[in-house]
Amino acid sequence: TQLLEQSPQFLSIQEGENLTVYCNSSSVFSSLQWYRQEPGEGPVLLVTVVTGGEVKKLKRLTFQFGDARKDSSLHITAAQPGDTGLYLCAGGTSYGKLTFGQGTILTVHP
Amino acid sequence: SQTIHQWPATLVQPVGSPLSLECTVEGTSNPNLYWYRQAAGRGLQLLFYSVGIGQISSEVPQNLSASRPQDRQFILSSKKLLLSDSGFYLCAWSEKETQYFGPGTRLLVL
Repeated sequence: TQLLEQSPQFLSIQEGENLTVYCNSSSVFSSLQWYRQEPGEGPVLLVTVVTGGEVKKLKRLTFQFGDARKDSSLHITAAQPGDTGLYLCAGGTSYGKLTFGQGTILTVHP
Repeated sequence: SQTIHQWPATLVQPVGSPLSLECTVEGTSNPNLYWYRQAAGRGLQLLFYSVGIGQISSEVPQNLSASRPQDRQFILSSKKLLLSDSGFYLCAWSEKETQYFGPGTRLLVL
């Protein structure tokens, strides 16, 4: 069974601060997805990374896939209250199933 | 573009009653389809997935079943609900490795 450890579980910061969320596994994944979810809604895809060492930037968000494709990080620069939500990482396999981390609940205070 | 629908959005059911949640996808053919359950503010647990009509794989033995009567329709059912079936149920579709989620159904069993 593949496991994906996500940390931290909770993050409470002030507007303007930077933060990083980590996902780690002993298993190799063919891809890594990051989602953001608001209460009562379905997760919304932020990014998919597929190549070891890949870095993708989406405005203030930077995503990195580890060289060995076992870990990933999400870095947010100058967080804003609108970034508040549940962030989920998910490791993909070639046959289409995802293994999800337990999520990071981010609260950005104005 | 592709869209995914779930209904109902919210459901309150007594213990022992039957359940039927529906998910439909538009704008794509022969997608992989998934049912997940999510505990409050946490990661997603895969319940069932389907790679085609009538093809269902169960990930977790439980009180629930799934069916796929049409290419873009996925149904989650139960003959007799338990209190522990309460939760947030999400349907997703995928092509390749990225999954896209519906808005979810909040189920409360009393």
